[in-house]
Amino acid sequence: QKEVEQNSGPLSVPEGAIASLNCTYSDRGSQSFFWYRQYSGKSPELIMSIYSNGDKEDGRFTAQLNKASQYVSLLIRDSQPSDSATYLCAVTYNQGGKLIFGQGTELSVKP
Amino acid sequence: EPEVTQTPSHQVTQMGQEVILRCVPISNHLYFYWYRQILGQKVEFLVSFYNNEISEKSEIFDDQFSVERPDGSNFTLKIRSTKLEDSAMYFCASRSGAMRNTGELFFGEGSRLTVL
Repeated sequence: QKEVEQNSGPLSVPEGAIASLNCTYSDRGSQSFFWYRQYSGKSPELIMSIYSNGDKEDGRFTAQLNKASQYVSLLIRDSQPSDSATYLCAVTYNQGGKLIFGQGTELSVKP
Repeated sequence: EPEVTQTPSHQVTQMGQEVILRCVPISNHLYFYWYRQILGQKVEFLVSFYNNEISEKSEIFDDQFSVERPDGSNFTLKIRSTKLEDSAMYFCASRSGAMRNTGELFFGEGSRLTVL
């Protein structure tokens, strides 16, 4: 069974701090990695994708991938209250394959 | 900006009734999906659809579920005889055919199904 694991939180950080969200996955055959954001009662929204080892930066967001450790992370710099949401890690195992989601980490950014 | 639209936003039904959830994917997208999320739980894959046929389905997607794309724009999920445990938010998603973007899905706002 292919699994994606996340700490459900809640993770609470003060405004302006760095939020660090972590995810591990079970299958070494995983190909593509994604972070989605889900506000309460809303649908998932893609914020980052990463396909190869290393870091990928997009504005205040940095995704990090370590395939040897089967580990993906998301850093949010200068966290804002509007970043308060559940962050979903997701993985695909083959081209065209389904997305498998983790249970999500709830982030709360306190003003 | 193009978006995935879903109807109805909320449906309440009696156990054993048939339900059809409708989705209009983004017009130039080629891959279509249904996911569900039971309250407080993870987003779960149900089915993927490409080239007018199911390409993959999960264990959840049993004989009570079916999908079709009847007219080239709508993508529907039918639950033949609803059970209490079918109560969930159902998300439709679509993506383009670009090989690299296999997980870059665009989700609709969801249809909340409540089975009484």
